[in-house]
Amino acid sequence: AQSVTQLDSHVSVSEGTPVLLRCNYSSSYSPSLFWYVQHPNKGLQLLLKYTSAATLVKGINGFEAEFKKSETSFHLTKPSAHMSDAAEYFCVVRYTGRRALTFGSGTRLQVQP
Amino acid sequence: GAVVSQHPSRVICKSGTSVKIECRSLDFQATTMFWYRQFPKKSLMLMATSNEGSKATYEQGVEKDKFLINHASLTLSTLTVTSAHPEDSSFYICSASRGGGNTGELFFGEGSRLTVL
Repeated sequence: AQSVTQLDSHVSVSEGTPVLLRCNYSSSYSPSLFWYVQHPNKGLQLLLKYTSAATLVKGINGFEAEFKKSETSFHLTKPSAHMSDAAEYFCVVRYTGRRALTFGSGTRLQVQP
Repeated sequence: GAVVSQHPSRVICKSGTSVKIECRSLDFQATTMFWYRQFPKKSLMLMATSNEGSKATYEQGVEKDKFLINHASLTLSTLTVTSAHPEDSSFYICSASRGGGNTGELFFGEGSRLTVL
């Protein structure tokens, strides 16, 4: 079955330290991969997406993600966390032949002052 | 950029009543819209795919008679929760696809929080 696994349900970092949110997906030919952020009671905002171009994808707010086909991973990183980064992050995959998205279970990022 | 609007953002209703949620693509035509449901502290689950001018395609386990979807125009899809019960309380999010095929960019609405008393 096609699936997306976010390895950590909750990540806590201190402000100014690096952020790593992990994501693995079940293998598929050329999937499209996304990271979305959701602030409390808000909709989803696209952070970045991978669509078979460069494997290192830069997004908004200093986030980036690297597509590693051999590891079927698409981890999200940011060099220095900011308080405003505290939110829920979803790794999302669009599998070939399917228009709808498959969501990971989400990772709640907490940023400590 | 493209915008998808949902209305209402919050709705409270009594058990047994029906509630309609609208999803509009404001600056593009969307032949396909998707409805998701999000339980508290959970991920989004696809409920159905709404196709303009034809019947919606429901995911396994989603009651089509309970969650009525209408996609009457290229900019509007509606989700009606019929005979609502407290267990239907949830955050409902729609997304609209700009462009056809499997590569159309998806844009999400702000979500609608339904509370059934």
